[in-house]
Amino acid sequence: QVQLKESGPGLVAPSQSLSITCTVSGFSLSRYSVHWVRQPPGKGLEWLGMIWGGGSTDYNSALKSRLSISKDNSKSQVFLKMNSLQTDDTAMYYCARKGYGSSYGAMDYWGQGTSVTVSS
Amino acid sequence: EIVLTQSPALMAASPGEKVTITCSVSSSISSSNLHWYQQKSETSPKPWIYGTSNLASGVPVRFSGSGSGTSYSLTISSMEAEDAATYYCQQWSSYPLITFGGGTKLEIK
Repeated sequence: QVQLKESGPGLVAPSQSLSITCTVSGFSLSRYSVHWVRQPPGKGLEWLGMIWGGGSTDYNSALKSRLSISKDNSKSQVFLKMNSLQTDDTAMYYCARKGYGSSYGAMDYWGQGTSVTVSS
Repeated sequence: EIVLTQSPALMAASPGEKVTITCSVSSSISSSNLHWYQQKSETSPKPWIYGTSNLASGVPVRFSGSGSGTSYSLTISSMEAEDAATYYCQQWSSYPLITFGGGTKLEIK
């Protein structure tokens, strides 16, 4: 079945960079696109960006200068990298699959999320 | 930038009560590009309604969605305890591609 699972460092020092991996199963990254979404504690959802099946990327314009999304289709992994982290980057980070057909392109499967705390 | 404004931000409903959550979009979008998610505490969001009015798999039929242009809504015909959650609308447009509403926290009385 379709699964996504995020893995990250947990704690990142201010001004340092963040790297998170989303490992997927049950579908091919060459056919499906994957989003990254984050949620600060007690707050709402924020879209970060996505990588399309063909490998092109789109980013939230407010974060574009600090974000990079890439993938390795052969390993079924999608990577999120964010630079210059500050305390307000503390959040749960999710990867989610972009569905097709009857899901109208919505995020039809989500990972469990990985918590990232930015603190010294 | 397209902004989604949900109302109310917080509400409580009694069992059996009809509930309506609205999502106002700052610019008209295609109804096929408006989706809803349900999130319960400490869990990932779940897809709930696709393309304005299509229930995701497993969603009870007491839920429905409607709308067009700049105004959308999620309705629960008869509130049940298990429906207590936060609901988010989300849109997809040409730019800036994807935004979420601020969320509506629905509690049971």
